[in-house]
Amino acid sequence: AQSVTQPDIHITVSEGASLELRCNYSYGATPYLFWYVQSPGQGLQLLLKYFSGDTLVQGIKGFEAEFKRSQSSFNLRKPSVHWSDAAEYFCAVGALEYGNKLVFGAGTILRVKS
Amino acid sequence: NAGVTQTPKFQVLKTGQSMTLQCAQDMNHNSMYWYRQDPGMGLRLIYYSASEGTTDKGEVPNGYNVSRLNKREFSLRLESAAPSQTSVYFCATSTGVRGYTFGSGTRLTVV
Repeated sequence: AQSVTQPDIHITVSEGASLELRCNYSYGATPYLFWYVQSPGQGLQLLLKYFSGDTLVQGIKGFEAEFKRSQSSFNLRKPSVHWSDAAEYFCAVGALEYGNKLVFGAGTILRVKS
Repeated sequence: NAGVTQTPKFQVLKTGQSMTLQCAQDMNHNSMYWYRQDPGMGLRLIYYSASEGTTDKGEVPNGYNVSRLNKREFSLRLESAAPSQTSVYFCATSTGVRGYTFGSGTRLTVV
């Protein structure tokens, strides 16, 4: 079965520090990969996505992610975190072979210390 | 504005009551989905509709029914609400796996 693992439930970083959120997937197909962000009480906002091509993808708000097929990973990074980045982050995976359904990870809650 | 509209935004039900969550899209997408979000579990697929006239179960369909009324509308019904159905419900549409659009969510509490 398809699955997505976000190993870190909570992460706390200082404002201005770098950030890496981990995402690993198990898919028997060529995956499409996504990162979403959700502020408290809000809906989901797409940060970035990977379909094919360059394995380093740039997104909104200064985020980037790197697809590593050999490690089945799609980790999200940001060089310098701002207090406004505090939110919950979800990795999601889909594949044409499994219809158009997305499978989500459990999420990582990011706290930013000032 | 184009998008996905969910109603209501908030709802409190008593155990055993029924209700229908509404979702409407004006994006002309074929596929529509209902997800539920629970703390520490991410979003889980309840039901989906690949096109008008078709519906299929997702990961957590028990206790729910759906209706794809037309291309625009996809409703989720709780026939007899239970406290375990307290959750935030998201409707989404897509043109394919590449392009998802989510609604703003319905926060449901069952007491």
